[in-house]
Amino acid sequence: GQQLNQSPQSMFIQEGEDVSMNCTSSSIFNTWLWYKQEPGEGPVLLIALYKAGELTSNGRLTAQFGITRKDSFLNISASIPSDVGIYFCAGRSYGQNFVFGPGTRLSVLP
Amino acid sequence: GAGVSQSPRYKVTKRGQDVALRCDPISGHVSLYWYRQALGQGPEFLTYFNYEAQQDKSGLPNDRFSAERPEGSISTLTIQRTEQRDSAMYRCASSSLGHDSGNTIYFGEGSWLTVV
Repeated sequence: GQQLNQSPQSMFIQEGEDVSMNCTSSSIFNTWLWYKQEPGEGPVLLIALYKAGELTSNGRLTAQFGITRKDSFLNISASIPSDVGIYFCAGRSYGQNFVFGPGTRLSVLP
Repeated sequence: GAGVSQSPRYKVTKRGQDVALRCDPISGHVSLYWYRQALGQGPEFLTYFNYEAQQDKSGLPNDRFSAERPEGSISTLTIQRTEQRDSAMYRCASSSLGHDSGNTIYFGEGSWLTVV
């Protein structure tokens, strides 16, 4: 079945640094979603991508739909302590269900 | 409602008992999804509905799990004869467009099930 890999699994960064993470798929997708989840909360949608090559921003967050349609990237600029959480990617092929990656755990050191 | 609402938030049940988890999707949302999320893992698909029709139940682990959405709004996920391995966070999500459209899904806060 479809599988997603996320890299890195976890990262520790200093406040103010930029963050980059990615998600790769064994299948071609037509939709990519990025979520953030904080402890005890449900995943919250950050950015949705629907076209290959699409670059979309949401505040300090920018995500891109990879040209190969098998990957997506999320960047966070000038990180702050409240960026801490687990970032999940999710993707799907046409007619299929969304599959989720295992997450990237972000810690921001003051 | 304003968001996806799930109840109960926490449920502790004895092994062998049946449990029912409820989901009230965002008002007007066509599609409703059930996911299960283990600690530290991403959500795992269980089943989904368009309106009242269950379109895909391929993610349900076995026949002890069932779901319904009789009026196309509120949904119930039922687990019969619970086992300890059923302990997990069960999350409901909904989306405004049909499943085969470019759409996004919004999650509720989940129901945390513990089977003892």
